[in-house]
Amino acid sequence: QAQLQQSGPGLVKPSQTLSLTCAISGDSVSSNSAAWNWIRQSPSRGLEWLGRTYYRSKWYNDYAVSVKSRITINPDTSKNQFSLQLNSVTPEDTAVYYCARTRGHLDLWGRGTLVTVSS
Amino acid sequence: QSVLTQPPSASGTPGQRVTISCSGGSSNIGSNAVNWYQQLPGTAPKLLIYTSDQRPSGVPDRFSGSRSGTSASLAINGLQSEDEADYYCAAWDGSLNGWVFGGGTKLTVL
Repeated sequence: QAQLQQSGPGLVKPSQTLSLTCAISGDSVSSNSAAWNWIRQSPSRGLEWLGRTYYRSKWYNDYAVSVKSRITINPDTSKNQFSLQLNSVTPEDTAVYYCARTRGHLDLWGRGTLVTVSS
Repeated sequence: QSVLTQPPSASGTPGQRVTISCSGGSSNIGSNAVNWYQQLPGTAPKLLIYTSDQRPSGVPDRFSGSRSGTSASLAINGLQSEDEADYYCAAWDGSLNGWVFGGGTKLTVL
């Protein structure tokens, strides 16, 4: 049974970088049939897909237009995990952040990390 | 504002049938499968229906999904108290090149 384990700080100061990691067990970040996503949820914005990374003979990334200038999602094959970096955060980036797997559909989610942007 | 449109609330009594709608456009529901998620307070969304009408193992057959044109719906038969939760629809959007979600429907079991 595959699982996703999230880690990272719950408090980030405005203008700094939000960094989260999602460790994968029971699957591989290099799988040719999976994609690895970051999604966030807040009362004001609901569920919002942020981006994904996936491997199809080479690595690809797709990012949501709303965060494209500030986001990086990187795979780490040595640790079988992937990460999220969101730069120049503001209080509007306060949300619960989820990592999730796609195998045709978003079928496996991490437990979520509440990230608060505040000084 | 969410790309997919759901009613903010729905309700029913135990044993009733409840349906939740999800409306989108040609670039999402109109051309891609719909997934439904159940979210209990303080937990991550849980996959309930995929590919518009398929249930993952472990999901009771009281839950069913359908899709027609640019709309989809989730039906819950024989409503139970433990079904009280938030429900979300989701689909891949080919124009946005990303996943899009509904705003969620809060289901209350009276």
